[in-house]
Amino acid sequence: GAGVSQSPSNKVTEKGKDVELRCDPISGHTALYWYRQSLGQGLEFLIYFQGNSAPDKSGLPSDRFSAERTGGSVSTLTIQRTQQEDSAVYLCASGRTGFTGELFFGEGSRLTVL
Amino acid sequence: AQTVTQSQPEMSVQEAETVTLSCTYDTSESDYYLFWYKQPPSRQMILVIRQEAYKQQNATENRFSVNFQKAAKSFSLKISDSQLGDAAMYFCAYRSFGSGNTGKLIFGQGTTLQVKP
Repeated sequence: GAGVSQSPSNKVTEKGKDVELRCDPISGHTALYWYRQSLGQGLEFLIYFQGNSAPDKSGLPSDRFSAERTGGSVSTLTIQRTQQEDSAVYLCASGRTGFTGELFFGEGSRLTVL
Repeated sequence: AQTVTQSQPEMSVQEAETVTLSCTYDTSESDYYLFWYKQPPSRQMILVIRQEAYKQQNATENRFSVNFQKAAKSFSLKISDSQLGDAAMYFCAYRSFGSGNTGKLIFGQGTTLQVKP
């Protein structure tokens, strides 16, 4: 596609339920990031995929969070047993191999945990 | 670990005036990239300007320019002739340069810019 696509745009769930957030990066981009942005706050790094290398999971806040990237393209961020503090906008971004740092962002998935 | 700090949570500027947003960072590396990203209310982040640390010349992109002070680890963004469409949240970001790094971008906390007509 022309840009980074994220779905769903908005998700409301009950505490304790599992959620999956999807990211479809720009075709050919090997780098893929997930960030979390709480209301009015900065971007918190969650996880980074680069080609076939092992992902950098150093930003995942707990073992309830996991992410995978299939075939070097689409990525899914899964949050198990959601908590109210998980409420945030989850942003996905992608970049080219050897990229100088410019990332192309999706519009994010807003997660609300009741 | 590298850190990025934006000490101005909010700034305002009159339309057509000039405003400067501050950013400082901490790193032990000598080569890296610095960026300013803009996030309008639509949520989609957009790259505004990029600076390579090995370049002494400050980057410029139309009405946007930076003041890069490597020794002071400072990277401010100047917006000239401010327009209503410049109203957004601005993020300063850092990325390591070279092999062996994860390449992840580290963002500051953001500065919300209000443009008054």
